[in-house]
Amino acid sequence: ETGVTQTPRHLVMGMTNKKSLKCEQHLGHNAMYWYKQSAKKPLELMFVYNFKEQTENNSVPSRFSPECPNSSHLFLHLHTLQPEDSALYLCASSQEWTGENIQYFGAGTRLSVL
Amino acid sequence: GQNIDQPTEMTATEGAIVQINCTYQTSGFNGLFWYQQHAGEAPTFLSYNVLDGLEEKGRFSSFLSRSKGYSYLLLKELQMKDSASYLCAPYAGNNRKLIWGLGTSLGVNP
Repeated sequence: ETGVTQTPRHLVMGMTNKKSLKCEQHLGHNAMYWYKQSAKKPLELMFVYNFKEQTENNSVPSRFSPECPNSSHLFLHLHTLQPEDSALYLCASSQEWTGENIQYFGAGTRLSVL
Repeated sequence: GQNIDQPTEMTATEGAIVQINCTYQTSGFNGLFWYQQHAGEAPTFLSYNVLDGLEEKGRFSSFLSRSKGYSYLLLKELQMKDSASYLCAPYAGNNRKLIWGLGTSLGVNP
């Protein structure tokens, strides 16, 4: 089992659909992150959870709704998305408040909104 | 403000040495990460520098000068599988966030 697992790997959805992205980390970390990666743009931090509490929300539209039921699982609920939301969505985890705080990434979900 | 500057693209030959430079301006500084990202895949951790100087890890080395806001990643004995994007990411600010740039796309030719 790899350290950070994301499902599904690919997702195509219409603008009226509701779907969820799932992330699971097997590294015993206490922080989890959602990033959006679009072509020709830097990684954009969306949400941060630390010990299951949301500590960062980078002005993300409400059509993206995160959920962190425990320190190993993170979800991103999607509804009424727009075509410009098509991107690679990456989950990461880290052990916060250690010296290095290295973030380990999942393979991502490639999302296409039609 | 916060800014990262890396070359957009570089090419090199298999077996050669290549240096990827990164200059940065951040509010606060806690260290600097280098990540490798193959097309369509997740970024993977390569190195982390906190103090000035060179950190060597096998074929990859990373250098940091905090006073100059400068880092480089040195890749030796290049292999075809090293073709990827290389992301320089300062770890900055009181809220300890990673600052991401566009990265450098490295192509390795036979």
